[in-house]
This record gives sequence, C-alpha cells and structure tokens, in this order.
Amino acid sequence: EVQLVESGGGLVQPGRSMKLSCAASGFTFNNYDMAWVCQAPKKGLEWVATISYDGSSTYYRDSVKGRFTISRDNAKSTLYLQMDSLRSEDTATYYCARDAGGFAYWGQGTLVTVSS
Amino acid sequence: DIQMTQSPASLSASLGETVTIECRASEDIYSNLAWYQQKPGNSPQLLIYDANSLADGVPSRFSGSGSGTQYSLKINSLQSEDVASYFCQQYNNYPTFGAGTKLELK
Repeated sequence: EVQLVESGGGLVQPGRSMKLSCAASGFTFNNYDMAWVCQAPKKGLEWVATISYDGSSTYYRDSVKGRFTISRDNAKSTLYLQMDSLRSEDTATYYCARDAGGFAYWGQGTLVTVSS
Repeated sequence: DIQMTQSPASLSASLGETVTIECRASEDIYSNLAWYQQKPGNSPQLLIYDANSLADGVPSRFSGSGSGTQYSLKINSLQSEDVASYFCQQYNNYPTFGAGTKLELK
C-alpha cells in the first residue's frame, strides 16, 4: 500500500525557516517524480514544487522561487521542502504527492502557520 | 501559467441526479487533465487522469471527457458519498488547478 506521511509543520514567525519531510513507503520511491502541493485554509489547491525521480531537476511556482528548496533522499525514501523567508501568505496545509501527470497519491498533509 | 477556469463554483443536486462540472483551460492542454475529489478534512483523491481515464478504485459513475481547452467531469446517479469539493488540474505545463466546485445535496 502506498503511504506518504508528512511531518514538520507548525507555527513559525514571518521571515523564519521551516523544513517539511515526507516519508514514502509501498512503492519504489526512486522511480517517481515527487511534488509538494499546498492549500490555504478554506481555499483551493496550489502546486508548489516538483523534483525529478533522481533529484537532478527541480521546478517551482514563481511565488516560492528563491525561498523554497525541494530535495529528496532516495536511500531514505524521503522528500523534503526547505522553506525560508516565510510569509503570512505561505500559511497552508502542505501535501506531498507522487507526481506522474496527475497526482495519484497524497499524504495527509501538514499545516504550516506563519504568524507573529 | 495556464489558467484553469472551473464552473460552477457550487452546485446543489438531488440523489440519483446526473451532475456535470466543467473546466476551461487558457490554452490547449492536449488532454493532460486530472480531476480530484476532496472531502472536508481529507486529502484530495484522484478520480480521472488523461481527461477520461478512471483512476483505480473509482466508481464507474464518474467519467471525464473533453479535449483542447474544454473538459468536463460527469457524475451519474449522484450518491450521498459524492458530497465533496471537486478540482480540475492540468499537467501539460507546470501544474495548475481550477478553483473548485462544492457539491451539496438538495
């Protein structure tokens, strides 16, 4: 059974950093591109970033370029999102998802709240 | 970025009814389109990919169609468990989502 389990969310002050993790199991992690998708409270879904299966390529939405870094450790089957210079508008639930065209599998999400 | 315009924003329907949700892309997305269902407090669940392919385990009352810039999701014989929000998403370029449709029972 495919499982994606996010961790690392919480309350953080504006301008500070936070690192999210996503532990994957139930599939061959290094065969798949992976992504982070966020959802602000009571709002729609926004793609944040994608990383290729081998980590050689990364892609970001414009609003997070230069502030967020997606990475992966294939030996640990774990996906990461390093979030720096956080802003109030980054407040959202962050989901990791397996990226194969559509997002076939999602984690349960981890809530990041950026507030002073 | 490719803009996805989804309609309607909300929808009220009766049990057994057929409902249709539409998405229009700002440019041709060559059927690189997915539909998701999201129930309150839960993660999104993939329903349809490649515009008309049913994801594993999804009931056959769900179907997708369309091409070019116009796509639709149809739910036949609405069930109570179908009450949820629905989102379209294109993956022809950097992924973008529609704003969502909230489906309620009449």
